[in-house]
Amino acid sequence: GAVVSQHPSRVICKSGTSVKIECRSLDFQATTMFWYRQFPKQSLMLMATSNEGSKATYEQGVEKDKFLINHASLTLSTLTVTSAHPEDSSFYICSARDSGQGAKAFFGQGTRLTVV
Amino acid sequence: GESVGLHLPTLSVQEGDNSIINCAYSNSASDYFIWYKQESGKGPQFIIDIRSNMDKRQGQRVTVLLNKTVKHLSLQIAATQPGDSAVYFCAETTGGGSNYKLTFGKGTLLTVNP
Repeated sequence: GAVVSQHPSRVICKSGTSVKIECRSLDFQATTMFWYRQFPKQSLMLMATSNEGSKATYEQGVEKDKFLINHASLTLSTLTVTSAHPEDSSFYICSARDSGQGAKAFFGQGTRLTVV
Repeated sequence: GESVGLHLPTLSVQEGDNSIINCAYSNSASDYFIWYKQESGKGPQFIIDIRSNMDKRQGQRVTVLLNKTVKHLSLQIAATQPGDSAVYFCAETTGGGSNYKLTFGKGTLLTVNP
């Protein structure tokens, strides 16, 4: 099956610093990747859609200057949380669509971000 | 801080029983649906999918039913096992190509008692 790897799995950072999260499709090329945020006991909330070689499409209410997304290659998308604050603490999850498997999307392991 | 929201619906079953998890979706234009299983601290794991031109699909121990008239999906798990304990999400997709979007439902916490 398609494998999506997300790194790091956990990160603790100081308030005001920036954190980069990587999402890689290991055995397929992903023209589209997605970034989600999840609070405890809640569903996944789509933050943005990342298309290779073009600007990301952000969902309403998501600050594009706060959450920088780069999708420079068909196997890598990154999410940078800039000037992180404690309210940005959350579980961030990426997914990638394998066009070779129709409309299926496969998910990374998630990144637990804690801002102190 | 964390966003305040509704807690997940829960379903508690005995090991060996069948489980039925329900989901209402919102977009009548959605053409493809997926059920995911999420264990604590992990990303969602694909379980089974169904296209909008079908009303039933079976996998290993799982069956998905789709009722487009009332925009309802269900996931049936046969002979539920403790390892099935997790949060289950339905997801709907719309669009294709660069317009593809995958949106998640609320989720249901399934607890299997031994």
